Amino acid sequence: EPEVTQTPSHQVTQMGQEVILRCVPISNHLYFYWYRQILGQKVEFLVSFYNNEISEKSEIFDDQFSVERPDGSNFTLKIRSTKLEDSAMYFCASNTRGSTDTQYFGPGTRLTVL
Amino acid sequence: AQSVTQLDSHVSVSEGTPVLLRCNYSSSYSPSLFWYVQHPNKGLQLLLKYTSAATLVKGINGFEAEFKKSETSFHLTKPSAHMSDAAEYFCVVSLYNQGGKLIFGQGTELSVKP
Repeated sequence: EPEVTQTPSHQVTQMGQEVILRCVPISNHLYFYWYRQILGQKVEFLVSFYNNEISEKSEIFDDQFSVERPDGSNFTLKIRSTKLEDSAMYFCASNTRGSTDTQYFGPGTRLTVL
Repeated sequence: AQSVTQLDSHVSVSEGTPVLLRCNYSSSYSPSLFWYVQHPNKGLQLLLKYTSAATLVKGINGFEAEFKKSETSFHLTKPSAHMSDAAEYFCVVSLYNQGGKLIFGQGTELSVKP
């Protein structure tokens, strides 16, 4: 069964460094998403992406964040200058029809900012 | 504004007894509702979803949920708990006109005692 994959599973970085989190969505999906879950808190929406454009973004998704689909398979989340409060589990998701269609989630990348 | 409230942060049951995880939602539109499960160190897995068809929705692993518009509820149930059901459960609402953004409840941790 196809699944969303994410790499790395765990990333440790120093405050102020740039990180890129990578996701490979399910191959025929067209809509892509990033969410994050700070330890002990709710899963929060960051951004949705379709047709090489951001469809929707949350207030968390400020100028330090960017997303890209550099090729036909990868979907990346870049944090330009990490802060301590960026430490969280980051989940990628994808689906075929956007909107109310089921989103399929990857296993997550745990980001630790020191 | 759309929101989801999970009424219990932690539920503990004995193996073989029924499970009830409670969820109330608030939505201006006819919502799409989901239950996702997260096992330790795993990603988010879809249990079931409601999208305005039958109000009683059956999911995987014997779980089901009933959409009650009059009560704005979408409680998750299972007749008989299994040890493998121990996990974190999230009630989720999809926002139809906001790029597929999912709003998560705060989660309910289910413990199953032998």
